[in-house]
Parts: sequence; structure tokens; C-alpha cells
Amino acid sequence: GENVEQHPSTLSVQEGDSAVIKCTYSDSASNYFPWYKQELGKRPQLIIDIRSNVGEKKDQRIAVTLNKTAKHFSLHITETQPEDSAVYFCAAAPYTGGFKTIFGAGTRLFVKA
Amino acid sequence: GAVVSQHPSWVICKSGTSVKIECRSLDFQATTMFWYRQFPKQSLMLMATSNEGSKATYEQGVEKDKFLINHASLTLSTLTVTSAHPEDSSFYICSAVYTRTGQYEQYFGPGTRLTVT
Repeated sequence: GENVEQHPSTLSVQEGDSAVIKCTYSDSASNYFPWYKQELGKRPQLIIDIRSNVGEKKDQRIAVTLNKTAKHFSLHITETQPEDSAVYFCAAAPYTGGFKTIFGAGTRLFVKA
Repeated sequence: GAVVSQHPSWVICKSGTSVKIECRSLDFQATTMFWYRQFPKQSLMLMATSNEGSKATYEQGVEKDKFLINHASLTLSTLTVTSAHPEDSSFYICSAVYTRTGQYEQYFGPGTRLTVT
């Protein structure tokens, strides 16, 4: 089955700096890679996703890159703000009716004002 | 956007009792729902895939007789934790797959915090 590894587990940055979180996956059948933000005690919220036919996607301060050959994908947050502080999860899934999504271990991001 | 609800949001039960958690897709039909379990400061662990009208598919290591899943309609899946024990205390989150013209999106419920005393 799929295995998703995520690094780092904790990331602390100064407000305004960039943050990068990296993930790798094992199953070549995975072709959908969402990123979720989860605040304490709340549900995961989808912040951006990328499909395997695209190498990069950007949405304002958030960007995701995908290297299918190396089975790597990364989240980039620019101009970080204190409200970006949360736990971020990467995930991988086959983009089919099954859509079983496997999550990485999570990265706790702290943005210091 | 698509909305998924869960009920109850939190529950406290005594050891040995059973607890039922409901997951509903409020404004769309979901043939597939997923149940996740999340321990404090840990990731979401997929427990099972719930398919409307058929038996759930459980992940390795998840006891199907302990975690009963029923997906009786296109908008409702239930998870029953039977004979609950303190180690079953966790945050249980469901998700539902929203399908539209070849696109698939997954929406999460708000979660249910179960405490077994």
C-alpha cells in the first residue's frame, strides 16, 4: 500500500519568511496530492492540491511542486503570517472512484511575529 | 461548497459500552466515505473505506468486529465502536468523496472526540 513520508515534523520561521515542507510517496499509482491545514481540534482543510499531469501549481502565497519521477512533492508558503501557524499534512491518493487518501505524519508550523 | 457533518461532536462513555458516530453529507451524495482516527499530535490514520450498499473495507490492523461501519444511504455512514475501552479514546473524523463530471474532491467532517472512562 501507499506510504507517505513528510519532513520536517516541526518548522519554526519568522513572519515574512518562507516555509517549505517536503513529502515523498511510494505508490506509483497515486496521482492526486492534496495538502491540508489543521488547526487544533478542528477538521483538516484543503489548502491546495496537485494532480500528476501538472508539475507546479500556485495559489497566492501557497505553491506546490510535484516530481513524479522521484515521487516527491513539496509545499511552499511565502510571506508567512502568524495565522499560518498550524499543522500541515500532505497526502497521496489514486484519482479514481476509490480515492483512498493516505496522509503524511504532519508538520507543525510556527510563525513567529 | 460541499458540507459534511458528524454527530456527536464529542462523547464520553464508560468502558464496555458501544458508541455510534454518524457522518452525513448534507448537500451531496457520496458513494464513498472514509473513517479516520487521529491521536493527539499525530496524523490521520485511515481505518476503513465505507461504500454505499456494500461492506466496508478495513485497513490492516483495524478490527472490523470492533469498529462496525454501515453505509446505508448515499448521505449517511455510521461508525460504531463496540465494547469501547480507554485505548479507543481518540478523535474520529469521517470524509466523503464528492464527485462531479469526472472530478473528485474529499470533504472532511468536523470530527468526534471520543473519551472512554
